[in-house]
Amino acid sequence: DAMVIQNPRYQVTQFGKPVTLSCSQTLNHNVMYWYQQKSSQAPKLLFHYYDKDFNNEADTPDNFQSRRPNTSFCFLDIRSPGLGDAAMYLCATSTRRGSVQYFGPGTRLTVT
Amino acid sequence: AQSVSQHNHHVILSEAASLELGCNYSYGGTVNLFWYVQYPGQHLQLLLKYFSGDPLVKGIKGFEAEFIKSKFSFNLRKPSVQWSDTAEYFCAVNAESGGGADGLTFGKGTHLIIQP
Repeated sequence: DAMVIQNPRYQVTQFGKPVTLSCSQTLNHNVMYWYQQKSSQAPKLLFHYYDKDFNNEADTPDNFQSRRPNTSFCFLDIRSPGLGDAAMYLCATSTRRGSVQYFGPGTRLTVT
Repeated sequence: AQSVSQHNHHVILSEAASLELGCNYSYGGTVNLFWYVQYPGQHLQLLLKYFSGDPLVKGIKGFEAEFIKSKFSFNLRKPSVQWSDTAEYFCAVNAESGGGADGLTFGKGTHLIIQP
C-alpha cells in the first residue's frame, strides 16, 4: 500500500562525503518534490520536477542536486554534506502543480 | 514570496476540549490552503484542503477549517479532541502564479498533546 517510498529511512554520512537519498512512487504522479526539514522548523522546499522539467528554488544551495530518471524515481544528491545539512528530507508527489501532495516517511540524515 | 505563521507552537489540552489552531498567511494573490498532520512516527498526511468555494471545509477525523480571505487566515478547529489527536499540525499554502503553483510553504507547526 506504500505510495511514496523513501530509502533509506536513516542515513549517516561523513562530512564532505557525497550521499544520495532516493524516493519512489507508485502513484504515477507528474510532480515530485524534495523538502528539507530541520529540527523544530517547517519543511522547506528545495526543488521539484514537473515531469522532466526541473525547478530549483532560488535559495537552494548548489550543494544539492536532483535527478529524475523516470516517472517513478527521484534522487537527491548532496555533493559535499556539511554539518548544517543534517535534517529530515521529505519527498512528496502530486498529480499537478497546486494539488494535494502525498508525502513519504522521510530520510533522516546525520552528518558526522 | 508567501509566508505562513502558526500562532501556537505547543498546545496541551484535555480530552473532549475544543481545539482551534491559528494560521495566517501572507500573499496577495490566489492561494490553495492545507492542513497536514503528522502522527508520532508517521509521515505527513493531509487533514483538509481549501481550493475554492465554501470557505468552511471539513476534513478527516472531525476536523474543519475556515478560510477568511479578509484576515488571510485558515484556522483549524475540532469541537472535541481525543487522545489520538496528539500530533504535529502544519498549515501550508500553495500560491498560484502565472506558471501554476509550485511547492508548499509551511508554517512551523503546532505540537498538540492531548491528555487523557
